[in-house]
Amino acid sequence: GPKVLQIPSHQIIDMGQMVTLNCDPVSNHLYFYWYKQILGQQMEFLVNFYNGKVMEKSKLFKDQFSVERPDGSYFTLKIQPTALEDSAVYFCASSLRGGPEVFFGKGTRLTVV
Amino acid sequence: GEQVEQLPSILRVQEGSSASINCSYEDSASNYFPWYKQEPGENPKLIIDIRSNMERKQIQELIVLLDKKAKRFSLHITDTQPGDSAMYFCAASEDYGSSGNKLIFGIGTLLSVKP
Repeated sequence: GPKVLQIPSHQIIDMGQMVTLNCDPVSNHLYFYWYKQILGQQMEFLVNFYNGKVMEKSKLFKDQFSVERPDGSYFTLKIQPTALEDSAVYFCASSLRGGPEVFFGKGTRLTVV
Repeated sequence: GEQVEQLPSILRVQEGSSASINCSYEDSASNYFPWYKQEPGENPKLIIDIRSNMERKQIQELIVLLDKKAKRFSLHITDTQPGDSAMYFCAASEDYGSSGNKLIFGIGTLLSVKP
């Protein structure tokens, strides 16, 4: 079936440094999402992105977060600077249209030390 | 509110029996309810979904029920097999169409099917 690829699968970073999480969405999809899952909790919506713009973001999407997809390449989530509470698994997702079926990647486990 | 409650958090059943997972939601505007299955190290995969214009949907051994009045929906797996062992997440969303599909997830249910 359609696959969303996330690179890397794990990332360990020093607090205060910048990190970029990369996502290769399903090839013909137009809508892209990031979700955050802290250990033992549910996946929580961070942001969705369409046509080069952020459509909606949650309160978890702090000022230190940014997303982009330059020229149809990776859809990225950048955190600058990172904080300890940013440690989580970040799932990228994509959908063909605004809804309904959303496909998820395997996640990137980010550890901020 | 935008919470989705999911119970139980852990479910252990014997192979061949049925398993039920229950979710409730707060946002009455929610009209789309997917269920995802996630195996260790894998991505969450959509296994079945239901829209608010339906009360029941079945795909093979998976049945979902939706009670809009009570704001509850549930997943029932009949004749469970060891391969059904996984984390299951319910979610709710208001299908925004052109604005994207923001899913509100439950906390997940760890299903273990004993042979």
